[in-house]
Parts: sequence; C-alpha cells; structure tokens
Amino acid sequence: KNEVEQSPQNLTAQEGEFITINCSYSVGISALHWLQQHPGGGIVSLFMLSSGKKKHGRLIATINIQEKHSSLHITASHPRDSAVYICAVLRDDKIIFGKGTRLHILP
Amino acid sequence: NAGVTQTPKFRILKIGQSMTLQCAQDMNHNYMYWYRQDPGMGLKLIYYSVGAGITDKGEVPNGYNVSRSTTEDFPLRLELAAPSQTSVYFCASSSLTGGSSYNEQFFGPGTRLTVL
Repeated sequence: KNEVEQSPQNLTAQEGEFITINCSYSVGISALHWLQQHPGGGIVSLFMLSSGKKKHGRLIATINIQEKHSSLHITASHPRDSAVYICAVLRDDKIIFGKGTRLHILP
Repeated sequence: NAGVTQTPKFRILKIGQSMTLQCAQDMNHNYMYWYRQDPGMGLKLIYYSVGAGITDKGEVPNGYNVSRSTTEDFPLRLELAAPSQTSVYFCASSSLTGGSSYNEQFFGPGTRLTVL
C-alpha cells in the first residue's frame, strides 16, 4: 500500500462544478503540500499545510492531522483548472508524493 | 527572476551514453532537489542538496551522480544510460526558513529523457 493515496485518480466534471480531491496518508507527517502539474508538464506549488485550512482564490485546502487526511477543493471550476493535482507529505525529512489526480473540466 | 531553469528540454540517448542535466536557480535557495517522474507514477526523489558542497541520496539514486559547487547550480549526471532511466526529470529548489526542514518547492520545467 502506498504511503500517500489520492482519490479519485481521474475526475471529469462540467464547468462550474465544485471539485474535491482527497489525499490520505498512513504515516505521521510534519507538513503536506498540494501541487498542480499543468498539461504541458510544469509543476507549481498551491498550498503547504500543517494544520487547519488555507484559501487562495477559488482553491481551498484542508487537513485533518488526526484522521491523516487532506482535501483540495475548487469552487466554480473552469476548464483552465484542468491539470494533475499532486499531494506530497513530509515525514522525517523524506518527501513522499502521491500519484496525482487528473482533473478535466469540460466547458 | 528566472526561477528554476533546466536544460535541455528534451534528449534522446543511446544505451551506455552519458549526459548531464543542468539545473540552475536564481532565488538564492539553499535546498535543491532532483526528481524523476515515470508515467502514472508519483515523483521520486533522486538526490538532494542542502547547500553548496553538500549532497545526499534520495529514494532512487542508483545510476546518477550530482554535485553542488555553487548555490545556484545542481547538475545531475547519468554515466551509463539505461532504458530504465527513460523519464521526465524535474529539478526543484526551496529555502529553509522558520526552523522548518521543508518549505514550498519551486520546480523547473522538466527534461524529457528517452534512452533507446
């Protein structure tokens, strides 16, 4: 079993829908990182969390340390949100990446 | 600022050839990383560096070497290319702040390497 599991693996939705991507991990961590990988391959950092909730524009990230779970939400989704969303956790100075969730927003 | 730059963008190698993937950052970050991303798999850490002159192995270091002679540059060397090294390689950097051992990482655009 992977130490970082993301769900769903693939998600197709209509423009305007509320999107939730989940990340579960099986080890104690000190931080969790959400990243976005564009269709062209570039990777950008979205959020770093160690507790609670963070919001940036239409993106919201939450983390529940006790349940070892984080969610990334996108409100009013748009075709330009189509990308692979990657969860990464830091454990004992080791960074572990999930396999990513491929999101496709239809116009 | 250019951020993190990588060259080349694409490369095809024959088995047994050698090459160096270049990575540079202009943000004065002390931490730098090399990852590989195989299709359908998560990023895997190859090597990392916490500062000039200091490097350490990540999860998948075999077949690779690195050096960090300056803060800005972190080249990755493949000595004897093998088909298993066909992948997309990403370099990243971050700064150590606030006593945290991990901070937001800034990624380069990637190098797509094919070994035939």
